[in-house]
Amino acid sequence: NAGVTQTPKFQVLKTGQSMTLQCAQDMNHNSMYWYRQDPGMGLRLIYYSASEGTTDKGEVPNGYNVSRLNKREFSLRLESAAPSQTSVYFCASSDQPGTYEQYFGPGTRLTVT
Amino acid sequence: GENVEQHPSTLSVQEGDSAVIKCTYSDSASNYFPWYKQELGKGPQLIIDIRSNVGEKKDQRIAVTLNKTAKHFSLHITETQPEDSAVYFCAASMGGSARQLTFGSGTQLTVLP
Repeated sequence: NAGVTQTPKFQVLKTGQSMTLQCAQDMNHNSMYWYRQDPGMGLRLIYYSASEGTTDKGEVPNGYNVSRLNKREFSLRLESAAPSQTSVYFCASSDQPGTYEQYFGPGTRLTVT
Repeated sequence: GENVEQHPSTLSVQEGDSAVIKCTYSDSASNYFPWYKQELGKGPQLIIDIRSNVGEKKDQRIAVTLNKTAKHFSLHITETQPEDSAVYFCAASMGGSARQLTFGSGTQLTVLP
């Protein structure tokens, strides 16, 4: 049972480049989330998916798009990366409607130069 | 939307002493308050949570208290050990379709041997 996995672990992009961050969970959870973590600002919700087939904006969605590919996978896309998107990105999942607990992946450290 | 403030941002204690981290929230509709621990290079992990119908909850050396009237909740760690050194985040949720969490900015706890 791997839990929540994220790829890649590290990525360096130039301004204007695009990339997709991948996330998968093997716990049969319904809900999945993307957060970014910046120093002194905690974790901020970018997008979430309450269930397969649905996605919604979180607190900081500008510059990002998401795809809930199936129940297991939830990807985050940066179409035109900007230095302000330099951050650590975490994917999480939770079991709805069972509990509120969110299980986090190990994170992707993204640097945009 | 919900706003969660967390204090202090850094906390150093001697091994064996107690540590207290405090959070306030803004929306009285919030009904779930988890605490997450994040070790270096890893994703956050739930350590304890409390729902709005409970005033206090304990799990071995850790406890959480909730004051709904004042809209604040606290994490208490007793008999601290070096392995308690980490970043701790509080969060609040109003429920909703995906039970989104709003996180505090984090507290770096250092337990000095």
